[in-house]
This record gives sequence, C-alpha cells and structure tokens, in this order.
Amino acid sequence: EPEVTQTPSHQVTQMGQEVILRCVPISNHLYFYWYRQILGQKVEFLVSFYNNEISEKSEIFDDQFSVERPDGSNFTLKIRSTKLEDSAMYFCARGQGARNEQFFGPGTRLTVL
Amino acid sequence: AQTVTQSQPEMSVQEAETVTLSCTYDTSESDYYLFWYKQPPSRQMILVIRQEAYKQQNATENRFSVNFQKAAKSFSLKISDSQLGDAAMYFCAYRSALSQGNLIFGKGTKLSVKP
Repeated sequence: EPEVTQTPSHQVTQMGQEVILRCVPISNHLYFYWYRQILGQKVEFLVSFYNNEISEKSEIFDDQFSVERPDGSNFTLKIRSTKLEDSAMYFCARGQGARNEQFFGPGTRLTVL
Repeated sequence: AQTVTQSQPEMSVQEAETVTLSCTYDTSESDYYLFWYKQPPSRQMILVIRQEAYKQQNATENRFSVNFQKAAKSFSLKISDSQLGDAAMYFCAYRSALSQGNLIFGKGTKLSVKP
C-alpha cells in the first residue's frame, strides 16, 4: 500500500495550460515533498512543505510552481503555463519518524503536448 | 553541495545469484542518512534500505544489505539470492541530518535478472 495516494495517475495537457497535481496522505503527517523525474533521468527535488509552509525549495521550483494544502488534507502542486519540458513523473512523498524517512506515492505522469 | 554518483548504468545478475550495486557520494557533513530506493517498471519509488552515518554496523533487510564505508564515502547495495522481482532501477540517495529536507539522488542503476 502506498503511503500517500496521488491523483491523477496520468495527466495530459496542452502547452501553456495550468495543471494541479494532488497528493492525499493516508494519515496525518507534517512533512511533504514533491519530486520530479524526467523520463530516463534521476529524481530531482522540487519543494518540501512542513506544517503548511514551504520549508525548502530547489532552483527548479520557480514562479511557475506553487504548493498548498487548501483543506488541511490534500497537498497540491500547481504548475502554471506548462512547457514541453515539464513532462515528467511527479512524486509526492511524506516524511516519517526521527530520521524523516521519505515514502513515495505512486506518482503522476504529466505529459505536455 | 552534496552529490551522489552511481557509476554502473546497468547491471545483470543470474537468478539466485548475488549482485552488488555501487554508490559513492560527496559531502563535507559528518551526520547524514543514506538510502537505496527501488523503482520497478510501474515507476513507484520503494524504499529498500537505509543507513545512518553515525552507525558503524551495516544495515540489513532480508536479502538486501549494504556495505557502508564512511571514510571512502561509499555505500553499496548487495542483493543476495536475486529474484526476478528484483529487476528494477535502483537509486542511491543522500539526505543531510541537519535538515528535514530533500533527498539527493544518483542517476540510478538498471538491474536485470536472468532466469
């Protein structure tokens, strides 16, 4: 069983459109992360989210991206004005325990046409 | 900045045999965590094993074990009695203990298991 669920599993969008990817934790956790994996490449960190605020973000996470937890449960990643190079798998992960081990969701495959 | 290097893009092993996947990392920190993640064709990221840098004892999880050499900054994964289901991409990852932050991944090693 995944530690978090992600919806949709696959999203196809036109270049320039906005997409919202959702992450739903199975139980209540404070730490969440978004990662991206372009096909055939390594997994890259985007942003971490702690107690409803961004705690850390990478250079990739520019003004095109935003995260929020609108209802205290779902955790969303919004990508504005999508580009072809945004096509990737997007993973949500939650942190757990003193070591803050990260457990990943099944991912959302984003295809930008 | 920390980096993680996996020098073997692909590896192959015979079913029931043992295989070792290599990982090296670069950091100036003394306290950190290291992980191996498995990514099967479904692309789900599955945590396989973890190692705390302050622990000298190598971590073991069933058929999976690591060889952690802190001075050499090496963290290899050994898979014993390989099974067909072990075929996947394997990613080595580093996380600083100073923050609750991000994992830094290597480029991965694609493991094939031959029947």
